[in-house]
Amino acid sequence: GNSVTQMEGPVTLSEEAFLTINCTYTATGYPSLFWYVQYPGEGLQLLLKATKADDKGSNKGFEATYRKETTSFHLEKGSVQVSDSAVYFCALKDGGSQGNLIFGKGTKLSVKP
Amino acid sequence: EAGVAQSPRYKIIEKRQSVAFWCNPISGHATLYWYQQILGQGPKLLIQFQNNGVVDDSQLPKDRFSAERLKGVDSTLKIQPAKLEDSAVYLCASSLIRREYEQYFGPGTRLTVT
Repeated sequence: GNSVTQMEGPVTLSEEAFLTINCTYTATGYPSLFWYVQYPGEGLQLLLKATKADDKGSNKGFEATYRKETTSFHLEKGSVQVSDSAVYFCALKDGGSQGNLIFGKGTKLSVKP
Repeated sequence: EAGVAQSPRYKIIEKRQSVAFWCNPISGHATLYWYQQILGQGPKLLIQFQNNGVVDDSQLPKDRFSAERLKGVDSTLKIQPAKLEDSAVYLCASSLIRREYEQYFGPGTRLTVT
């Protein structure tokens, strides 16, 4: 079945450090891929998405590229801020308009000033 | 615009008791989802509604869980009787039709079963 595997957390970085959170997936067909973020005390929210191979999703300085050959969708940011501290979830949606989202376990990021 | 509302935010019950959670989606969102998020794991879909019809309830433990969405707006998720392993955060989300990838989540209800 479809699944998403994320790197284990927590990840602790200093402000302005480079961030990578690894995500790989297993899916039949051609899924769409997403990163959701959950800030402390808030609900999950969509951060970025990519719907086909080689697409790059980007938002708020974060980027992720859909790599079909390596079945990966790693999240990157060149310079993190304290306000980026949150839990990040990689997710996929199988083809079809009614396919549900399948989430990874989440990676907690803490950024220290 | 107002976000997805859920209540209560926290609930503690004993095993074998019953509990109900309420969700009010974003106005105009026809699709509503209930997820279960166990500590240390990602959210798992329990049930998906489109308007007041069920689209997917394949992962809903129907012997103890039930959900309804009367009039295609608010929704209620019930557990009866609760088990210890039901301790989790229950998330409600909503989306526009054909934009199921962009789901808006509520803050969740944290359930503890003792």
